[in-house]
Amino acid sequence: KNQVEQSPQSLIILEGKNCTLQCNYTVSPFSNLRWYKQDTGRGPVSLTIMTFSENTKSNGRYTATLDADTKQSSLHITASQLSDSASYICVVSGMDSSYKLIFGSGTRLLVRP
Amino acid sequence: NAGVTQTPKFQVLKTGQSMTLQCAQDMNHNSMYWYRQDPGMGLRLIYYSASEGTTDKGEVPNGYNVSRLNKREFSLRLESAAPSQTSVYFCASSATGSSLEKLFFGSGTQLSVL
Repeated sequence: KNQVEQSPQSLIILEGKNCTLQCNYTVSPFSNLRWYKQDTGRGPVSLTIMTFSENTKSNGRYTATLDADTKQSSLHITASQLSDSASYICVVSGMDSSYKLIFGSGTRLLVRP
Repeated sequence: NAGVTQTPKFQVLKTGQSMTLQCAQDMNHNSMYWYRQDPGMGLRLIYYSASEGTTDKGEVPNGYNVSRLNKREFSLRLESAAPSQTSVYFCASSATGSSLEKLFFGSGTQLSVL
């Protein structure tokens, strides 16, 4: 069964600290992996999209990595800010259809002053 | 700079009532989607429209209907609401539906069915 598992479910860190969120997937075939940020009460916003051939992609203080062999991805947040408090969702797209995105349930991050 | 606009933001229905959730995008995108988000679960696709004039079922279509009114608008209708349809509903769009494209999401509609 195609699945996307994220860990931890929730995380609390102090402002200025770094953190890493994990994503494991069993989706096959594989086209790309995305990370989205979802603020409370808002829709998800795209952070990165990585294809099979990419193993790192950055967007400001956000750096995503992908290991397609082990089917794992991570999202590293550097020098966290209060505005980073949100849910972070890992999404995997299979090659068979552009309309069959598999969403993880997200990691809820709280950054405290 | 509106992007994807959904209305209403909140709605409370009684079991058996009907309603339509509206969605419009101003990015000239061809593909549009309706998702639902439930606590502890990933977003699940209800219906999608690859282009104007076409609609297809997603993962959880039962109890819903959709209309792609024109290129901008894609509505979701609940004919006879059930408590199991209590959820947050998101509309999204993408340029062509390619698997490499970003999806742009609206702000969501929080629906409670009593």
